[in-house]
Amino acid sequence: DAGVTQSPTHLIKTRGQQVTLRCSPKSGHDTVSWYQQALGQGPQFIFQYYEEEERQRGNFPDRFSGHQFPNYSSELNVNALLLGDSALYLCASSLRRNSAYETQYFGPGTRLLVL
Amino acid sequence: AQSVAQPEDQVNVAEGNPLTVKCTYSVSGNPYLFWYVQYPNRGLQFLLKYITGDNLVKGSYGFEAEFNKSQTSFHLKKPSALVSDSALYFCAVRALTGTASKLTFGTGTRLQVTL
Repeated sequence: DAGVTQSPTHLIKTRGQQVTLRCSPKSGHDTVSWYQQALGQGPQFIFQYYEEEERQRGNFPDRFSGHQFPNYSSELNVNALLLGDSALYLCASSLRRNSAYETQYFGPGTRLLVL
Repeated sequence: AQSVAQPEDQVNVAEGNPLTVKCTYSVSGNPYLFWYVQYPNRGLQFLLKYITGDNLVKGSYGFEAEFNKSQTSFHLKKPSALVSDSALYFCAVRALTGTASKLTFGTGTRLQVTL
């Protein structure tokens, strides 16, 4: 049973560029959440996707956008990159049906460095 | 708004001794509480969760956590620490808002277990 997978593992971009990160949820899961973890900090919620729609959004600007595909995989897009966007981006999947109780399982993350 | 506090940046313990990693929370309504562990350059691994019922929750790798509603705490414990337990530990709380259920994390506590 494959867990949550993310690609790429590492990425280096320059300020102003755009980046796309990808996530495949754990088998059987239909909900994907994205988190940003800055160095020395806890993960911060970016947004959550279910049924191909953004269901909730954290305190992140519109430069951060996402998408969920019919196979439940998801992309995180960040436009006009800033130095402060450098972080570990974590994808988590869960099963929506029992969202109050379901555990979110995390992928290994994509480490983004903006120069 | 929900929040989590992990008052200790680092906890040091000798192998074989009991360990406690502290967590307090603030949330409207019933809390759903989680502990995750993060090893260097890795994503978050789920340890255990409290949803309802018994205040003592048992999880992976011999860890357990005690839910205390009056003190709004959810401390992580292990009777006998191992050097391999050395890692970064995150407490998280979930609140249901609308149709989504984001996790709010603490800032993490680094556990250092020495011989």
